[in-house]
This record gives sequence, C-alpha cells and structure tokens, in this order.
Amino acid sequence: NAGVMQNPRHLVRRRGQEARLRCSPMKGHSHVYWYRQLPEEGLKFMVYLQKENIIDESGMPKERFSAEFPKEGPSILRIQQVVRGDSAAYFCASSPRIGFEQYFGPGTRLTVT
Amino acid sequence: AQSVTQLDSQVPVFEEAPVELRCNYSSSVSVYLFWYVQYPNQGLQLLLKYLSGSTLVKGINGFEAEFNKSQTSFHLRKPSVHISDTAEYFCAVTPPADSNYQLIWGAGTKLIIKP
Repeated sequence: NAGVMQNPRHLVRRRGQEARLRCSPMKGHSHVYWYRQLPEEGLKFMVYLQKENIIDESGMPKERFSAEFPKEGPSILRIQQVVRGDSAAYFCASSPRIGFEQYFGPGTRLTVT
Repeated sequence: AQSVTQLDSQVPVFEEAPVELRCNYSSSVSVYLFWYVQYPNQGLQLLLKYLSGSTLVKGINGFEAEFNKSQTSFHLRKPSVHISDTAEYFCAVTPPADSNYQLIWGAGTKLIIKP
C-alpha cells in the first residue's frame, strides 16, 4: 500500500507566480490535511478536506491560498502570486476516518525567489 | 483553546544514554496524544499514540511515552539512544470532541546524538 504521495518534492517560483502542490492520499483515505512548516518552526494547520468538501480552512490565509480535493484525482493546494514569505515546506496528511491518526507525505519544499 | 508546549527546542545526549523529551498540553477536555518523528528532509512518521487505556504507551524504535493526566504531560523516553535517532520530534494533541480532529502541534524538539 503506497503511502501519501506529494509532488513536486521541490518547487521554485519567482515572486508573483502561481504554485500548485499536489497530494495523493493513501488508498482508502478520504480525509486530507495540509500543513505548513516554516524554517525552525513546528507544523501549522492550514486546511482539512474530505472528498469535494472543505471542512475546516481556519488555518489558511484568506487571500491567495486555496485548496480542493476533487472526487477524482489528488488534492491540490494552490498559492497565487507567491511572495517570499510563502517559502516553506508544505505537508499533506491523510487518514481513513475522523479521529484516526494522520499519515504524512514527504512534503513539498517551496522556494520563492 | 488547546495548546502544546515542548519545553526544550534541542536536547543533546550521548549515544547509548537515556533521553526524555518533554511535552505538556493544556486542555479542559480529554485528548488524544501523539508523538511524531521527522528525519532530515523527510515527512513526519507516527512514533506512538495514546487514545485510552494504559497510560504507558510503547511505540516504534524503542520509544515509549507516559500519559500523566494530573500533570497534563506526555513525555517521550528511550532508555538508550542511537545515532539513527537524530531527528526532530513533535508532540501533538487532538480533542476527540472536536469534530474536525485537527491536530495541535508543539514546536518540536531536536534530538542531537553526540558520539
């Protein structure tokens, strides 16, 4: 059973460009979580999605950031008009049901130049 | 609101020595507790979890943790560390009553093994 997959592993964008981060949850998992980890800091929750629904986006910046988890295909975290402060590692986690532990992907390291 | 405090940002320890990584949480309701490990340039891996039952929880790689409700702590221990344990360790909690089951994270503790 393949683990949580994220791509790309590394992404470099210039200021003002768009970044698209993909997450394929483990097979059978319908709950997806996105986290951001800034250098020397812990994980910060961004958004929690189930198939086709955003359940909790309280950790997501109001502007430029959006997330989706379509019926088919991976979950996408989209950052429009990136700025240097968006440089971070973005982790995706999935779980098979609510209340279960989360399984993490290897992360996407975004660098904004 | 719940919060998690990992009191030490770094813990240096000699190889084969015991180690304890501290985690305290604040919550007015019961919680589930987790320890995750992050090796350099990798994602997080679950070490162990406490949901209910015995307060002493055994995890992978020889780690264990003890839930102390009166002290609201969930300290991680290993009797003898190896170079391969060099990593960052994160404590997390989630209140079962929270319908979103959002994990609340500590800032992490870097375990540095000295040869």
